[in-house]
Amino acid sequence: DAMVIQNPRYQVTQFGKPVTLSCSQTLNHNVMYWYQQKSSQAPKLLFHYYDKDFNNEADTPDNFQSRRPNTSFCFLDIRSPGLGDAAMYLCATSREGISYEQYFGPGTRLTVT
Amino acid sequence: GEDVEQSLFLSVREGDSSVINCTYTDSSSTYLYWYKQEPGAGLQLLTYIFSNMDMKQDQRLTVLLNKKDKHLSLRIADTQTGDSAIYFCAEFTGGGNKLTFGTGTQLKVEL
Repeated sequence: DAMVIQNPRYQVTQFGKPVTLSCSQTLNHNVMYWYQQKSSQAPKLLFHYYDKDFNNEADTPDNFQSRRPNTSFCFLDIRSPGLGDAAMYLCATSREGISYEQYFGPGTRLTVT
Repeated sequence: GEDVEQSLFLSVREGDSSVINCTYTDSSSTYLYWYKQEPGAGLQLLTYIFSNMDMKQDQRLTVLLNKKDKHLSLRIADTQTGDSAIYFCAEFTGGGNKLTFGTGTQLKVEL
């Protein structure tokens, strides 16, 4: 089945230690998104790629970076995680020009110790 | 501005219908969506409606859209314990390939 895959599902990192979360998709969608979701809140968009074009949200901290080496893969890099960065990180994809719905991966739960 | 609001909680008995409501402020919304999120999981797309429609039915789900009042609802018929989750509405306004999510409604189904 076509899907959005996130690895790992759970990640523990130390305060200040760089961490990378990964996302891959078999849907061949041209748009990929990274969201941060804290407990009982709506997902908050960090950035998205439209094909190779990177689009950062104005309020996304510089601590968060992203890479998309090809259509299928997208990475979220947190350069110096703080305790406030502990959250669920969700990857999503969409295909422009249809009904724009986004398909989400299962998420990576990040814990910062 | 883009604000999407939902009530925080809804509790229903198994077998009853659930109605989850959503209000939005951006009249240029073209598509509106309903997502379900179970604990510790990602968001699952349930259904969506195009802005030129008033109603869409998909098995136990019925979506109603009132564009005049900017009101969207999701009705779940014969609610089951497996329907317990957080439900998010979201709108797409055509700019920037982005969705604006509502605040989420926690649905609790009691036996």
